[in-house]
Amino acid sequence: KQEVTQIPAALSVPEGENLVLNCSFTDSAIYNLQWFRQDPGKGLTSLLLIQSSQREQTSGRLNASLDKSSGRSTLYIAASQPGDSATYLCAVRGDDKIIFGKGTRLHILP
Amino acid sequence: DAGVIQSPRHEVTEMGQEVTLRCKPISGHDYLFWYRQTMMRGLELLIYFNNNVPIDDSGMPEDRFSAKMPNASFSTLKIQPSEPRDSAVYFCASSPLYQPQHFGDGTRLSIL
Repeated sequence: KQEVTQIPAALSVPEGENLVLNCSFTDSAIYNLQWFRQDPGKGLTSLLLIQSSQREQTSGRLNASLDKSSGRSTLYIAASQPGDSATYLCAVRGDDKIIFGKGTRLHILP
Repeated sequence: DAGVIQSPRHEVTEMGQEVTLRCKPISGHDYLFWYRQTMMRGLELLIYFNNNVPIDDSGMPEDRFSAKMPNASFSTLKIQPSEPRDSAVYFCASSPLYQPQHFGDGTRLSIL
């Protein structure tokens, strides 16, 4: 059974710093992995989708990597801003199942 | 594009009542997903549809929950009878095949 873990559960960093969020999964037989952000009281917004054949995806200040063999993905945020404060979730899709991690709550300190 | 539209945004009702949540997916998206989010369990997939047909409902907690998609532009999630432990935020999402999912803003459900 696929399990998705995100550590830490919460993170506070000063504005301007680069940071890395982690996502690990137990079953490497996946179709893709997706990173989302969730703002309070809102739904999820897709940030990056990495297909199983890819190793990374980039969008602006965000870079997501995927290492299927080790069951890990990272989301790198460059030059963090207060507007990046949100909860970040990763989701793994495989065998018609989509499993979400519980998220990392990120707070960027002005 | 208006995005995924869910209604109502908030629902408060008494235990035992029937609850119906509604979702309008993005036009052209083949897949529709229903999720439930709680502090304890995080985000859980309840059921998803492909071209209006339910593909996997293994996440539906019990027979009190049912979902339908009568056409490509509308889906409902029904709970009958509702219980306090059903209190959660329910999200609907849609996507093309293997493309990023687009989420609605959710329905916050409170069962008293």
